[in-house]
Amino acid sequence: DIQMTQSPSSLSASVGDRVTITCRASQDINVWLNWYQQKPGRAPNFLIYAASRLQSGVPSRFSASGSGTDFTLTISSLQPEDSATYYCQETYGPPYTFGQGTKVEIK
Amino acid sequence: EVELLESGGEYVPPGGSLRLSCAASGFTFSDYAMNWVRQAPGKGLEWVSAVSGGGTTYYADSVKGRFTISRDNSKNTLHLQLNSLRSEDTAVYYCAKERAVGGLGSFDHWGQGTLVTVSS
Repeated sequence: DIQMTQSPSSLSASVGDRVTITCRASQDINVWLNWYQQKPGRAPNFLIYAASRLQSGVPSRFSASGSGTDFTLTISSLQPEDSATYYCQETYGPPYTFGQGTKVEIK
Repeated sequence: EVELLESGGEYVPPGGSLRLSCAASGFTFSDYAMNWVRQAPGKGLEWVSAVSGGGTTYYADSVKGRFTISRDNSKNTLHLQLNSLRSEDTAVYYCAKERAVGGLGSFDHWGQGTLVTVSS
């Protein structure tokens, strides 16, 4: 099975900061990569599909890029409501594997 | 508006069985693959199982042979039968809709989840 590794595991940033999260796949997955946001006690929210395509309704401050094994999610100007855990997920399977998550906190 | 409502989660002893259900509305259910994704307390997300619109099924190795996914397109309902439950199956189980017709692996709408607790 494909392994997905995110870094960092957590970060703390100020409102307005640019934030970048990295996700690495254990093998080439082309652009078969999604990103999700999850707030405490809530179901995940679908942000990005096919590595860089913004899901309808997701704010434009979210962007993503990458292909092959290395991917990034960027929040261009961090907002208070962006405090959450972010997960990457490969769609090369099934099975489908998620990264371990990156917790983003607001300073 | 897409809505997914899970039910059936409860407290069950090791070795026990449980059937989860997910009632779907707001889209043409039979056109989309459906999935179960779980999250153990304080842990990350784990994909469990999927079923295509036509009924082809897929499972994570951790549940293969113990869990069975099914769908009733006439009732817009997804099910997950959980047998031979273990403590490590304790989790919130989410029902999730596939993003695209004919697609697999991208979950654009999620239910609120139902908690399964396996403990003696």
